[in-house]
Amino acid sequence: QLQLQESGPGLVKPSETLSLTCTVSGGSISSSSYYWGWIRQPPGKGLEWIGSIYYSGSTYYNPSLKSRVTISVDTSKNQFSLKLSSVTAADTAVYYCARQGYRTPTRAFDIWGQGTMVTVSS
Amino acid sequence: DIQMTQSPSSLSASVGDRVTITCRASQGISNYLAWYQQKPGKVPKLLIYAASTLQSGVPSRFSGSGSGTDFTLTISSLQPEDVATYYCQKYNSALALTFGGGTKVEIK
Repeated sequence: QLQLQESGPGLVKPSETLSLTCTVSGGSISSSSYYWGWIRQPPGKGLEWIGSIYYSGSTYYNPSLKSRVTISVDTSKNQFSLKLSSVTAADTAVYYCARQGYRTPTRAFDIWGQGTMVTVSS
Repeated sequence: DIQMTQSPSSLSASVGDRVTITCRASQGISNYLAWYQQKPGKVPKLLIYAASTLQSGVPSRFSGSGSGTDFTLTISSLQPEDVATYYCQKYNSALALTFGGGTKVEIK
């Protein structure tokens, strides 16, 4: 069945750029039926949507993070990626990638990766 | 921006109790609402989408209702394995997929 796996550095220095990749297996990222999204969760806190991308490259970002976020897709590798620039300690969180339905009635996140902890510290 | 407010923020109930969690949107969102369960140290799991549609494999003791601004998640008979934090999420707009603050459910 479809699986998602996040990868990337677990430690990033303040002011640098956080870069993560999500690899999709067991299915195609080029499906017209899904978006692919990033969500984060600071330690002990709630969930925050970061942004989503369609296989065509169309992107949607959380307005509160939009100036610092770039999400891209590589259909040849069945991967999508997150870049978050100018990070601070407030960006320390578990970062999840997830599959999201394309049609509005089903636009929830139905399959999630295991998550990867990213700490921002010098 | 549409805000999502969950209540209560935490609750404690006995096994077998009926538990209700509320999620309120600051503006109408039709039925574009999902509920997730996150057990301690685990990945969030989709329970319900479109306000009342049970995701495949989710026990029938979970149900959702509501439309517009007011939504509820109900656990008809609380089980020990239901200890978790529950989040609502709106998705009426691709531009703003906001989560509620969460409701922590514990066993009394």
